[in-house]
Amino acid sequence: DVKVTQSSRYLVKRTGEKVFLECVQDMDHENMFWYRQDPGLGLRLIYFSYDVKMKEKGDIPEGYSVSREKKERFSLILESASTNQTSMYLCASSFRGGDMAKLFFGSGTQLSVL
Amino acid sequence: RKEVEQDPGPFNVPEGATVAFNCTYSNSASQSFFWYRQDCRKEPKLLMSVYSSGNEDGRFTAQLNRASQYISLLIRDSKLSDSATYLCVASGSARQLTFGSGTQLTVLP
Repeated sequence: DVKVTQSSRYLVKRTGEKVFLECVQDMDHENMFWYRQDPGLGLRLIYFSYDVKMKEKGDIPEGYSVSREKKERFSLILESASTNQTSMYLCASSFRGGDMAKLFFGSGTQLSVL
Repeated sequence: RKEVEQDPGPFNVPEGATVAFNCTYSNSASQSFFWYRQDCRKEPKLLMSVYSSGNEDGRFTAQLNRASQYISLLIRDSKLSDSATYLCVASGSARQLTFGSGTQLTVLP
């Protein structure tokens, strides 16, 4: 069965902390994504990676960075967490080919920054 | 204007009813379209792709109108388990997936 695993379901951090969100997929997918989901705003793309060590900025990359050292793992880093980064973070993956838009999501990390 | 717009609802319908959601997209270069379903406090899951000729999967029918730039989802004989938020997605590429904000459906007993 297809699986995208996010390391934490809930996280509480303080303003200014460095935060790491980890995501692992077991489907050998080339593409991996980080989204955040906020009420009324839907899912917004933060970063996208189409291969190991490759990354592209999404629509809202400010305040975030990513790392993809291995194909199965895609990490989202908040360099200095701020209260406006309180959100639900969703990792997703897909194949590069014709099914690239068929995303498989992890169960999400609800991050609260105090 | 949002690139993908949906009526947020909520739609409250009785069991057995037929309900339809529409979604409009602004990027005429969008090539692929999908409906995702998201249960409360869960991740989105792919419900179905939307093909130009329209397609059906059991009680669910999806339609695409490229001229008017909208897609629709029809649910027949609604079940309690259909209660969820339905997300419309338009895609030009993996990088250009655009999600709507979702339409909330509650099926009442």
